[in-house]
Amino acid sequence: LAKTTQPISMDSYEGQEVNITCSHNNIATNDYITWYQQFPSQGPRFIIQGYKTKVTNEVASLFIPADRKSSTLSLPRVSLSDTAVYYCLVGRSNDYKLSFGAGTTVTVRA
Amino acid sequence: KAGVTQTPRYLIKTRGQQVTLSCSPISGHRSVSWYQQTPGQGLQFLFEYFSETQRNKGNFPGRFSGRQFSNSRSEMNVSTLELGDSALYLCASSLEAGAIQETQYFGPGTRLLVL
Repeated sequence: LAKTTQPISMDSYEGQEVNITCSHNNIATNDYITWYQQFPSQGPRFIIQGYKTKVTNEVASLFIPADRKSSTLSLPRVSLSDTAVYYCLVGRSNDYKLSFGAGTTVTVRA
Repeated sequence: KAGVTQTPRYLIKTRGQQVTLSCSPISGHRSVSWYQQTPGQGLQFLFEYFSETQRNKGNFPGRFSGRQFSNSRSEMNVSTLELGDSALYLCASSLEAGAIQETQYFGPGTRLLVL
């Protein structure tokens, strides 16, 4: 089971880029990396998923180095509404060995 | 399209009681997964149901059980409640089984307090 580690908190200002790195040293060959965003009193919301290299969608980018032992979620030009907890999830479906990170609280200030 | 709904949203029980939580997935979604979220342990996978069958189970005692109906709605049951079962219970649905490769959509959760 891949143990995931991510920073507890990060502070940023509006308009800046926020990068959150998740460490998963013993990631397995067929594990995927998924990031979720969670606001208070709500369930997590899917942000982005990747297996290797770089993935980009309309809200974020995910960078995964060749050894896949870490991954970095990049949020471009954050706004106040991006203040939330961000979770890294590493796992695979065939045997459901899932490992959520403890979450990174991102606080965006004006 | 309506999102994932969970009922009830809040629940207070006492030790030793049992509780049943309900989850209605997004229309057309056939897979439902359950998670427990606590400040100490974070998000932990409980189990996944697909086509009325439990596909996988996390590392939880047998007091935690679930089922899925033919309309994909799912229920989760916890028997002989303990104080440590106080948590936010989240349900997530996806089109197909395999909640990793498939995009999961989470409900708002049921907050359970055990006294």
